[in-house]
Amino acid sequence: DQQVKQNSPSLSVQEGRISILNCDYTNSMFDYFLWYKKYPAEGPTFLISISSIKDKNEDGRFTVFLNKSAKHLSLHIVPSQPGDSAVYFCAASLQGGSEKLVFGKGTKLTVNP
Amino acid sequence: DTGVSQDPRHKITKRGQNVTFRCDPISEHNRLYWYRQTLGQGPEFLTYFQNEAQLEKSRLLSDRFSAERPKGSFSTLEIQRTEQGDSAMYLCASSPTNTGELFFGEGSRLTVL
Repeated sequence: DQQVKQNSPSLSVQEGRISILNCDYTNSMFDYFLWYKKYPAEGPTFLISISSIKDKNEDGRFTVFLNKSAKHLSLHIVPSQPGDSAVYFCAASLQGGSEKLVFGKGTKLTVNP
Repeated sequence: DTGVSQDPRHKITKRGQNVTFRCDPISEHNRLYWYRQTLGQGPEFLTYFQNEAQLEKSRLLSDRFSAERPKGSFSTLEIQRTEQGDSAMYLCASSPTNTGELFFGEGSRLTVL
């Protein structure tokens, strides 16, 4: 039972345009959401996060939006750069202090020059 | 380099053999995590330590798997009697807080023949 779903395995965008990566979750007990970026042969790197009490968090070119009623979050990258090409993982954590992160399968983003 | 380091980076073994992976976290981080990632999947939580105490374990961590963190510094993950299904990337991460912002190592890739 996949609790965090990234339904698009891949996404291709042109440099300078907006990249939108989507993530859906099924467990309403999740209260904290994160995005990680992974380059080949490297471990995942934390990118941005959002608490369930917020609906938006912005950090430079990266913005995460959370729609709790739809159990949906998205990561916007604008403008996209070739160096953003990587696999992006959505992750969620449960209420109650569990240290476990539940990850989606990832979306491979390719930004074309 | 003061990031999370893992050793070995690659391990090829025959089915039935035991293997051990080591993780050295960022020195000031008291939280240490092990995750497993298979092809096409996101990282899956295995276990978590706070200092030397193992506080959370996934049901994925069968009795063939054991993790330790003596003295609250480095950690080891041992897999006994390896099976082909154990083939995966084993990721270690550390964190100074409980916000889910993990610092991952580059991983140890296990191939069981």
